[in-house]
Amino acid sequence: TQLLEQSPQFLSIQEGENLTVYCNSSSVFSSLQWYRQEPGEGPVLLVTVVTGGEVKKLKRLTFQFGDARKDSSLHITAAQPGDTGLYLCAGYMDSNYQLIWGAGTKLIIKP
Amino acid sequence: ETGVTQSPTHLIKTRGQQVTLRCSSQSGHNTVSWYQQALGQGPQFIFQYYREEENGRGNFPPRFSGLQFPNYSSELNVNALELDDSALYLCASSFRTGGGELFFGEGSRLTVL
Repeated sequence: TQLLEQSPQFLSIQEGENLTVYCNSSSVFSSLQWYRQEPGEGPVLLVTVVTGGEVKKLKRLTFQFGDARKDSSLHITAAQPGDTGLYLCAGYMDSNYQLIWGAGTKLIIKP
Repeated sequence: ETGVTQSPTHLIKTRGQQVTLRCSSQSGHNTVSWYQQALGQGPQFIFQYYREEENGRGNFPPRFSGLQFPNYSSELNVNALELDDSALYLCASSFRTGGGELFFGEGSRLTVL
């Protein structure tokens, strides 16, 4: 059983559509990170959220940390083919050096 | 500044063999973490090294071992390879041991036949 459950596992949509990816847990995280990974490469950090209820924006991407710090979401507005990739959420639990990862959401944006 | 580099990028081994994977951390980083990423899965934490000492370990057997050198580069050694060890092995460096940003290399793709 994954501590961090991501949904959906796979999403294929047309360019210009909006989408939301979810990262859920029954455990509390001191911080949560979102990464994007492209084939043949390592994950690249997009954002870190730390405070419950926090919202961060990165151009067309909006990240939210749940009030109870157990869940997070990534919303993409007007998706573009360049957004294609594997989106991974990962979190630190209190006083822990180990980053816990979700299984990822594979996103394909069709032109 | 140079990023995280890993070698080799791809390799094929047979069951029972041993493998050593190498990682050069990003300039200024003193912490290296190793992850195993199976196909279609998120990374799984193997262990972390901080200033040449193992600083924490995930749920991996002792045949997974590592080293960190004075220049903060690192090695991951896997003995008695099993088919399930086939995966992408990722090295990540950071400036702190927990809570910070990880900078990943491109990974070493290991196939065990």
